[in-house]
Amino acid sequence: QKEVEQNSGPLSVPEGAIASLNCTYSDRGSQSFFWYRQYSGKSPELIMSIYSNGDKEDGRFTAQLNKASQYVSLLIRDSQPSDSATYLCAVVFSGGSYIPTFGRGTSLIVHP
Amino acid sequence: DTAVSQTPKYLVTQMGNDKSIKCEQNLGHDTMYWYKQDSKKFLKIMFSYNNKELIINETVPNRFSPKSPDKAHLNLHINSLELGDSAVYFCASSQLKVSGGLNEQFFGPGTRLTVL
Repeated sequence: QKEVEQNSGPLSVPEGAIASLNCTYSDRGSQSFFWYRQYSGKSPELIMSIYSNGDKEDGRFTAQLNKASQYVSLLIRDSQPSDSATYLCAVVFSGGSYIPTFGRGTSLIVHP
Repeated sequence: DTAVSQTPKYLVTQMGNDKSIKCEQNLGHDTMYWYKQDSKKFLKIMFSYNNKELIINETVPNRFSPKSPDKAHLNLHINSLELGDSAVYFCASSQLKVSGGLNEQFFGPGTRLTVL
């Protein structure tokens, strides 16, 4: 069965630190990878998409993809209390259905 | 303008009733989805529609039926509601990539369904 695994946390980091969120997936043929942020009571919103091996940076966020090891990570630099949320990893598995499978999410707490 | 909208935002109803949730997207996307998010925050796919055709249906009870009158709308109808149906239901839309794969999804605000 194709799965997306995340540590549920909570991951607690001090303000200004780097938060590192990890996600592993079971299908080596996966092509599309996404990180979403979800605040309590709100809908998921896209942080980053990544499609090829390596790093992709956008402001304080960096996504890292390693298809050989089947993991994708999200780094948040200079973490702020407003980054406190649940971070969802989503992967589109091979097979042509184009339906992202979500991990259970990692709860991040950034304390002042 | 709201990209993906859902109505109603809250729905409280009795067991055994039938209810519908509506979803509309104005992004011109070709694929729409329904997700169920339970109390443990796990986001589980229920249905996906591409160009008005159901392309996958996970192990969802047949009390749930998606209806897509056109590419911009995907409604969810639920018959004979049960206590376990209480959850937040999210609609989402996306666009397939020409080169293969999928662009990001845009989510609606969610509908919190409570079955008493």
